Amino acid sequence: DAGITQSPRYKITETGRQVTLMCHQTWSHSYMFWYRQDLGHGLRLIYYSAAADITDKGEVPDGYVVSRSKTENFPLTLESATRSQTSVYFCASKAGTGGAGYTFGSGTRLTVV
Amino acid sequence: KNQVEQSPQSLIILEGKNCTLQCNYTVSPFSNLRWYKQDTGRGPVSLTIMTFSENTKSNGRYTATLDADTKQSSLHITASQLSDSASYICVVSAASNTGKLIFGQGTTLQVKP
Repeated sequence: DAGITQSPRYKITETGRQVTLMCHQTWSHSYMFWYRQDLGHGLRLIYYSAAADITDKGEVPDGYVVSRSKTENFPLTLESATRSQTSVYFCASKAGTGGAGYTFGSGTRLTVV
Repeated sequence: KNQVEQSPQSLIILEGKNCTLQCNYTVSPFSNLRWYKQDTGRGPVSLTIMTFSENTKSNGRYTATLDADTKQSSLHITASQLSDSASYICVVSAASNTGKLIFGQGTTLQVKP
């Protein structure tokens, strides 16, 4: 299916475990982004990528790792999950530079117990 | 500091009524302003996007306005429907290669029959 898809939709994990959230887009967009959404906060940028093998930190990168070996995939890994990382995670992509054309995935709700 | 503030935080209206949501921003340099609708459990979906030179943009029953001088925007919903119940997020893009987005915390709208 065309678009941007995230998996899993829901995930429960234990404190200290490693967990990876997947994001896949079919448009060959250059830019991809990971955000987290928490009550009382707007979406906050975790990491972004301008192209394959190019990634950079956003506003709240601590505790997260990303990679972008292929243009269409942008996985987000929590190396040692903490309760404070319980959140809803959104992936987004856009074609080029500038502010237009963002498209968001449906989100992954992660609970760390 | 780049910020986007929305009001009210939440709003309840009766089906068929109109409502207006407000957004104030302090983002520089400004690129564009967009309004997103986010249904519960879903990713944000773009309603409108306006650049510096645009004052008004409509998308069906949604009309957004932008006053770049006062750095204010509003989203007017006409003849509300039950399906309008959602969070509405004002997002300002800073002028940069990544088109960094600054998110408001959103206004939660509930439309009652």
